[in-house]
Amino acid sequence: DIQMTQSPSSLSASVGDRVTITCRASQSISSYLNWYQTKSGQAPKLLIYAASSLQSGVPSRFRGSRSGTDFTLTITSLQPEDFATYYCQQSYSTPLTFGGGTKVAIK
Amino acid sequence: EVQLVESGGGLVQPGRSLRLSCASSGFTFGDYAMSWFRQAPEKGLEWVGFIRSKDYGATTEYAASVKGRFTISRDESQSTAYLQMDSLKTDDTAVYYCARAVTHFYYYMDVWGKGTTVIVSS
Repeated sequence: DIQMTQSPSSLSASVGDRVTITCRASQSISSYLNWYQTKSGQAPKLLIYAASSLQSGVPSRFRGSRSGTDFTLTITSLQPEDFATYYCQQSYSTPLTFGGGTKVAIK
Repeated sequence: EVQLVESGGGLVQPGRSLRLSCASSGFTFGDYAMSWFRQAPEKGLEWVGFIRSKDYGATTEYAASVKGRFTISRDESQSTAYLQMDSLKTDDTAVYYCARAVTHFYYYMDVWGKGTTVIVSS
């Protein structure tokens, strides 16, 4: 199985801050990497697919990038509605696997 | 509006069965694979399994943790996917989500339901 190592597991930030979350795959997954946002009681939301493609309707402050087996989700200017938990997920092979999640809290 | 709505969750004793439903609307159900995920209390997201579209044989794949106990199916006439859960264990306690899978070139889940809660306890 492909292991996804996500960091940090939590962070505190202020509105307007630039936030970076990283995810490392245990082997090559090409660009088969997706990012999701979850909030309690709500449906998970796709933010980025194929490592760097912005899902329709998602604000452009969310950006994804790839360098080898390292992937990054950047929120360029954190907004109040962005306080949530974020997960990376590889779709290169089954079983589909997720990173451990990053909880973004208000500083 | 594209929507997925899960139902069928509840409290069930270990060893018993439960069937979850995922009703879709707003899109052509038959064109998509459908996936199931779960999130145990205070834990992260976990893939449960998926079913391909009918054009790809409606074949299924499962996580090792549920293989042989869970079965995913789909009913095109009802635009609904199902998750049959047998021999339930306390570790299966979680919120269960269904999601629409886009499988053209890349693979990602672009529409999710809000989930249904399953509690396995005696």
